[in-house]
Amino acid sequence: KQEVTQIPAALSVPEGENLVLNCSFTDSAIYNLQWFRQDPGKGLTSLLLIQSSQREQTSGRLNASLDKSSGRSTLYIAASQPGDSATYLCAVRGETSGSRLTFGEGTQLTVNP
Amino acid sequence: DAGVIQSPRHEVTEMGQEVTLRCKPISGHDYLFWYRQTMMRGLELLIYFNNNVPIDDSGMPEDRFSAKMPNASFSTLKIQPSEPRDSAVYFCASRFGGWGEKLFFGSGTQLSVL
Repeated sequence: KQEVTQIPAALSVPEGENLVLNCSFTDSAIYNLQWFRQDPGKGLTSLLLIQSSQREQTSGRLNASLDKSSGRSTLYIAASQPGDSATYLCAVRGETSGSRLTFGEGTQLTVNP
Repeated sequence: DAGVIQSPRHEVTEMGQEVTLRCKPISGHDYLFWYRQTMMRGLELLIYFNNNVPIDDSGMPEDRFSAKMPNASFSTLKIQPSEPRDSAVYFCASRFGGWGEKLFFGSGTQLSVL
């Protein structure tokens, strides 16, 4: 059974700092991995999707990397801003799980002005 | 596009009552998912549909839960009878078919069963 772990559970940083969020998964047989953002009381917003054949994806100040063989992904946020404060979740889609995604518990990020 | 639309946003009901949650997916999307989020268990997939057909309902907790998708633009999740342990945020999500397509979530329904 696929398990997804995110470390740390919470992170507080000053504005302007570069930061890295971590995601690890136990079964490396995946099709893709997505990073989502969730604001309080809201749904999830997909930020980046990395296919299993890709090493990284970039969108603006966000960069996500994937090391499938080691079961790890990182989300790098450059020059963090208070508006980046949210919970960030990663989710993997397994090769044998159809369209089912397995989510991590998330990292709650606070960027202080 | 307005995105995935869920109703109601909040639902407060008493134990034993029937609850119906509604979802309108993004037009053109052929996959629809129902998730439940709690502090204890995180995000759990309840059921998903492809072209209005239920594909995987292994996450549905028990017979009290049922989901339907009568057409491509509407789905319901029904709980009958409801219990306090059903209290959670229920999300609907949709995506276009294909391995590399992102998942789009609605704003969720906050359900409280007293």
